[in-house]
Amino acid sequence: NAGVTQTPKFQVLKTGQSMTLQCAQDMNHNSMYWYRQDPGMGLRLIYYSASEGTTDKGEVPNGYNVSRLNKREFSLRLESAAPSQTSVYFCASSASNLRGDTIYFGEGSWLTVV
Amino acid sequence: GDSVTQMEGPVTLSEEAFLTINCTYTATGYPSLFWYVQYPGEGLQLLLKATKADDKGSNKGFEATYRKETTSFHLEKGSVQVSDSAVYFCAPLSYNTDKLIFGTGTRLQVFP
Repeated sequence: NAGVTQTPKFQVLKTGQSMTLQCAQDMNHNSMYWYRQDPGMGLRLIYYSASEGTTDKGEVPNGYNVSRLNKREFSLRLESAAPSQTSVYFCASSASNLRGDTIYFGEGSWLTVV
Repeated sequence: GDSVTQMEGPVTLSEEAFLTINCTYTATGYPSLFWYVQYPGEGLQLLLKATKADDKGSNKGFEATYRKETTSFHLEKGSVQVSDSAVYFCAPLSYNTDKLIFGTGTRLQVFP
């Protein structure tokens, strides 16, 4: 029962470096999401994908790009990391983006940009 | 815009004490309401939800009632355990964007 799996769990980057966070779900869900969690700010939506082949910006998309590679996988890329992107990143999925559908979260990726 | 306000933590309780974590929201229409829980080192898990006014969501001894008149969804548990120590997030589903709006989270610490 893997659910939502994201890698890596921990990463340290230097300012200006690039990296990709990987996410995969095995629940045959249509919708996938990337959130970031910062102290005192709750979770904020970065990007989401309502279905395979579509992506949309969330609340805080600047500095990020995403790819919905197939129905299972949704990656988040930082092209030129900045210290402000130090955060915990969560991938999530739901059966659809309809009102009331439960969202399932991965265990998080701790990213530090120095 | 839509928003949610949770009581600040940490909330520190002794085992078997009564728990209330307040949550109020501002939203268009009548959004579905969720409580998520995050245990140390883990992602968020759905704890309970309510989709219409006066609905009561419940799970693992936790309860929350959708109060339309006060736009609140307070989380309660009659007798907390050490294993309930976690961060709790209130999250209405925005009517405008169909996306969850997360509160800042309330850390609960339960001591034996």
